[in-house]
Amino acid sequence: NAGVTQTPKFRVLKTGQSMTLLCAQDMNHEYMYWYRQDPGMGLRLIHYSVGEGTTAKGEVPDGYNVSRLKKQNFLLGLESAAPSQTSVYFCASSYGSSGEQFFGPGTRLTVL
Amino acid sequence: GESVGLHLPTLSVQEGDNSIINCAYSNSASDYFIWYKQESGKGPQFIIDIRSNMDKRQGQRVTVLLNKTVKHLSLQIAATQPGDSAVYFCAETFPNFGNEKLTFGTGTRLTIIP
Repeated sequence: NAGVTQTPKFRVLKTGQSMTLLCAQDMNHEYMYWYRQDPGMGLRLIHYSVGEGTTAKGEVPDGYNVSRLKKQNFLLGLESAAPSQTSVYFCASSYGSSGEQFFGPGTRLTVL
Repeated sequence: GESVGLHLPTLSVQEGDNSIINCAYSNSASDYFIWYKQESGKGPQFIIDIRSNMDKRQGQRVTVLLNKTVKHLSLQIAATQPGDSAVYFCAETFPNFGNEKLTFGTGTRLTIIP
């Protein structure tokens, strides 16, 4: 099993550009999450999904949108990137609503 | 030790010694706690968890201790190895909530000295 994979690994955007980050998991997990990690602030939840076709806002959802059209995929979109969105983004999945989350390797995004 | 919102503390330990990483959590209502390990350039990896009805839980070379009176959590790593060098995060969540309410600490960087 590949576990949780993320594409791309690195990306540089200009302010105002858009992009989509793709997360895929092959563990048949119901729950999927998108986090951002900034220096000195720990992981913060952006959006999450409790199943195919459902999404919900996390702690810091502004400026991001998500979609979960297929159970194995969770997409994070930035419609108009801002320098404040420079961060490392992690996707995670879990079998249940609590307990162990499996994280992807991360995407390092820089917005100039 | 680490706490939500504080600067990243560091801990250096000689290889073979035991490590103790501390975490002060903020909410006395929290009832579930997790420790994650994050190696450089990788995503966090689950180490061990504990519920508030327990004081101690052991895994392979790791022990988590929970002191609810002073809202303190610690991770003990026995006989540390070079592969234990990483940032360690504690996380907490509340009754009737799951991972969507998980609050992560800022982490402690553990460096193993050969």
